[in-house]
Amino acid sequence: QITLKESGPTLVKPTQTLTLTCTFSGLSLNTNGVAMGWIRQPPGKALECLALIFWDDDKRYSPSLKTRLTITKDTSKNQVVLTMTNLDPVDSATYYCAHSGTEYCSGGGCLAYWGQGTLVTVSS
Amino acid sequence: SYELTQSLSVSVALGQTARFTCGGNNIASKNVHWYQQKPGQAPVLVIYRNNNRPSGIPERFSGSNSGNTATLTISRAQAGDEADYYCQVWDSSTVVFGGGTKLTV
Repeated sequence: QITLKESGPTLVKPTQTLTLTCTFSGLSLNTNGVAMGWIRQPPGKALECLALIFWDDDKRYSPSLKTRLTITKDTSKNQVVLTMTNLDPVDSATYYCAHSGTEYCSGGGCLAYWGQGTLVTVSS
Repeated sequence: SYELTQSLSVSVALGQTARFTCGGNNIASKNVHWYQQKPGQAPVLVIYRNNNRPSGIPERFSGSNSGNTATLTISRAQAGDEADYYCQVWDSSTVVFGGGTKLTV
């Protein structure tokens, strides 16, 4: 059974740093071609991909947020962590982690498996 | 950066065909993927690489990609198809989503 679950704070103050952890099972981040990513969605708005990390530790970031983001993986724990610095109220959103899987989206083209998402509110 | 343009909303009668367009410069040169997102839920991949359905996605869902427009088609639309639909491509080494289209049945 494939599961992904995001965890982290639900409320963060402006200027603080957000750290989110995605813990997954039934999937691997060691397999050639697979990738995991973090995607966010402000209330009522569209999806936005923040960062991707590949099986070989290659990393890609949203150009507009690159200076504020860090993505890392711990394959021994089946976890991927996203850090975002200098939070602002506009960063309030549901944050999803997702995995490419191996059957449909290997290579990073798309994301086949998603967590349920975690709502993060940035407010003082 | 690459931009994907989707119409805000599509309305279709029960049992009829719904079509969603995703516009982008020479989008035919890219693989387009489509996601369905129901209220309060995570997105679900419904079409990958232009016209392929993951396991469990009904045959009513199909996709095409030509020129500057990719299209998702839902045949025999059902009430349960009401959702937001997002197109997505890979560009400049990252994932790009369209703005999403809301389907009303």
